[in-house]
Amino acid sequence: IAGITQAPTSQILAAGRRMTLRCTQDMRHNAMYWYRQDLGLGLRLIHYSNTAGTTGKGEVPDGYSVSRANTDDFPLTLASAVPSQTSVYFCASSDSGLGLDTGELFFGEGSRLTVL
Amino acid sequence: AQSVAQPEDQVNVAEGNPLTVKCTYSVSGNPYLFWYVQYPNRGLQFLLKYITGDNLVKGSYGFEAEFNKSQTSFHLKKPSALVSDSALYFCAVREGTNAGKSTFGDGTTLTVKP
Repeated sequence: IAGITQAPTSQILAAGRRMTLRCTQDMRHNAMYWYRQDLGLGLRLIHYSNTAGTTGKGEVPDGYSVSRANTDDFPLTLASAVPSQTSVYFCASSDSGLGLDTGELFFGEGSRLTVL
Repeated sequence: AQSVAQPEDQVNVAEGNPLTVKCTYSVSGNPYLFWYVQYPNRGLQFLLKYITGDNLVKGSYGFEAEFNKSQTSFHLKKPSALVSDSALYFCAVREGTNAGKSTFGDGTTLTVKP
C-alpha cells in the first residue's frame, strides 16, 4: 500500500543524545513536512521541503534539522535531545505543483519520542 | 499570518443525531481549508477540502463542510452520527499560493454515544 513510512514508531532517549527520525514516501510527492503533536497545542510545523534539495523552517524549528537528498526521504534529526522535545512526530507529504499546492496532506503513523 | 480556531475542545452527540464541529479561520489571501480525522495512536487522515467553487463540499465517510466567507467559518457536519465517528478532528488552513505550510487548529474530540 502506497504511503508514508516512519521509523521508529517509539523511542526512549536520554537527554543529550542524537536521534534521527526516518520518513520515506512512495507517492513521488514533491513536498514533505515534519510536525510535532503535543496535547493542547495541536500540530506545529517543524521543517518542510517543497522539493528535493530544498528545505525551510516552520513554526518550531529550533533543535531540529532536516535534509532532502531525494524525493522519497526526509529525515528529521535532533542533534542533542532535550526533555521538551518529548512529543509525537508526524511526517507528511503533499502533491505540490511548485508554488501552488492545493493538495491535502498525507500523514505517516507517527513516531513517539520520549526524552528523559 | 494565518490562524485557525476550533472553539470546542469536545463535542458529544448521540448516535443517529446530526453533528457539527466548528472551525473559524483567518488568512490574508484566499483560504484553502481542510478537515482531517485522527483515530487513537494513528496519523491524521484527510476528510475533505475547500479550494474554490461550491461552498458545500462533501468528503469521506458521509462528512460535509460549508465554507462561509463572510463568517470566515468552515464547520464540519454529518447528518447522522455513528459511534465509529468518535475521534479527534482537526481543521487546517493554508493561504492559496503558499506552497509550504498549513496551520492546524488545536483539535476537537468528538464522542458519539450509542
